[in-house]
Amino acid sequence: DAGVIQSPRHEVTEMGQEVTLRCKPISGHNSLFWYRQTMMRGLELLIYFNNNVPIDDSGMPEDRFSAKMPNASFSTLKIQPSEPRDSAVYFCASSPFAPGSRNGYTFGSGTRLTVV
Amino acid sequence: DQQVKQNSPSLSVQEGRISILNCDYTNSMFDYFLWYKKYPAEGPTFLISISSIKDKNEDGRFTVFLNKSAKHLSLHIVPSQPGDSAVYFCAASGGADGLTFGKGTHLIIQP
Repeated sequence: DAGVIQSPRHEVTEMGQEVTLRCKPISGHNSLFWYRQTMMRGLELLIYFNNNVPIDDSGMPEDRFSAKMPNASFSTLKIQPSEPRDSAVYFCASSPFAPGSRNGYTFGSGTRLTVV
Repeated sequence: DQQVKQNSPSLSVQEGRISILNCDYTNSMFDYFLWYKKYPAEGPTFLISISSIKDKNEDGRFTVFLNKSAKHLSLHIVPSQPGDSAVYFCAASGGADGLTFGKGTHLIIQP
């Protein structure tokens, strides 16, 4: 099992550019979560999906952020246009259970985004 | 507004001694708590959890204590080992949503 796979591992982009982060969850996992880690706020839940359907996107900071899950094996988080304050590590996690089950989260290694 | 608070950004402990990491929460709806461990350039990994119906859960060198009246939990690691050096995140859950995490505490085990 390759685990949760995120790409790219590092992304450096200029302010105003579009950024797309990608996630492949563990096969068979029904729930997928996007988190953002910053020094100021720790790990923040941005959005989560259950069976490819977005359930709660209240954590998405602004309309510049959007996420999709077109199928069970792929999800994207897009920032357009990007700003320096978006610089953070973005984690994707998946779980074989419904979001409220609390257990079974497996995190990817994250994408470190730097917006200059 | 942080619902899960880890007020110590870092903690340094001597190898062999006890490490105590603290976490406070504000949401009374939280009924399940977890600790995750994170090494640099890796994602967080699950360490130990506790349900609100218990006040203690032990797994080897790791013990989590829950004080519901104080809305406080702590993670004890004894004895501390060099491989325990990592960032530890406290997380809480109270319903159908995903986990709510704190800011993390960087534990440094000194030889």
